[in-house]
Amino acid sequence: GAVVSQHPSRVICKSGTSVKIECRSLDFQATTMFWYRQFPKQSLMLMATSNEGSKATYEQGVEKDKFLINHASLTLSTLTVTSAHPEDSSFYICSAGTGTGAYEQYFGPGTRLTVT
Amino acid sequence: KNQVEQSPQSLIILEGKNCTLQCNYTVSPFSNLRWYKQDTGRGPVSLTIMTFSENTKSNGRYTATLDADTKQSSLHITASQLSDSASYICVVSAKTSYDKVIFGPGTSLSVIP
Repeated sequence: GAVVSQHPSRVICKSGTSVKIECRSLDFQATTMFWYRQFPKQSLMLMATSNEGSKATYEQGVEKDKFLINHASLTLSTLTVTSAHPEDSSFYICSAGTGTGAYEQYFGPGTRLTVT
Repeated sequence: KNQVEQSPQSLIILEGKNCTLQCNYTVSPFSNLRWYKQDTGRGPVSLTIMTFSENTKSNGRYTATLDADTKQSSLHITASQLSDSASYICVVSAKTSYDKVIFGPGTSLSVIP
């Protein structure tokens, strides 16, 4: 149980375009979903926290207009990287929480974004 | 300042040997501590989760310990296998209005034949 999927697993896009990444909780309802970014040989950095039906809470330094997060249902959250630039190339990972706060998080497999 | 430190940064061991990874934290108020295994290019997978009152938690060949007084945790891997090669991340949650999660930098473990 507690499986989280991400789609796509890899994506290559051109500078200036937008790309959407989906995160789904397959067998449970996720009241809270988290989006992380991970650069090579570094740990995960929390970008934002989203609760179903409400606006996401962004971490300091993360541009909310560039990284659009939508959590429209209890099983789906999307991250849209708008007007992507090469420096946005990274590994994006989502996680889903089953209860209040972040007591237990189940991570998705990640999405490798490459912006050319 | 809430911080999580891990040591060593990287470790190479022979297949079949045991190893212990360390995690020190200065997170307060403490909620829980988790160890994750992250294979290269994959998302983290939970190994153990411990709350304040738990001292030891096992998951197969993985055993985690927690000393809440000294704010230290360890992850012991017995009879290592090649598939244990991964990054091991210590994650500590602070009990706030919503649990704030602090990630350690990870220990990169390489198991060689």
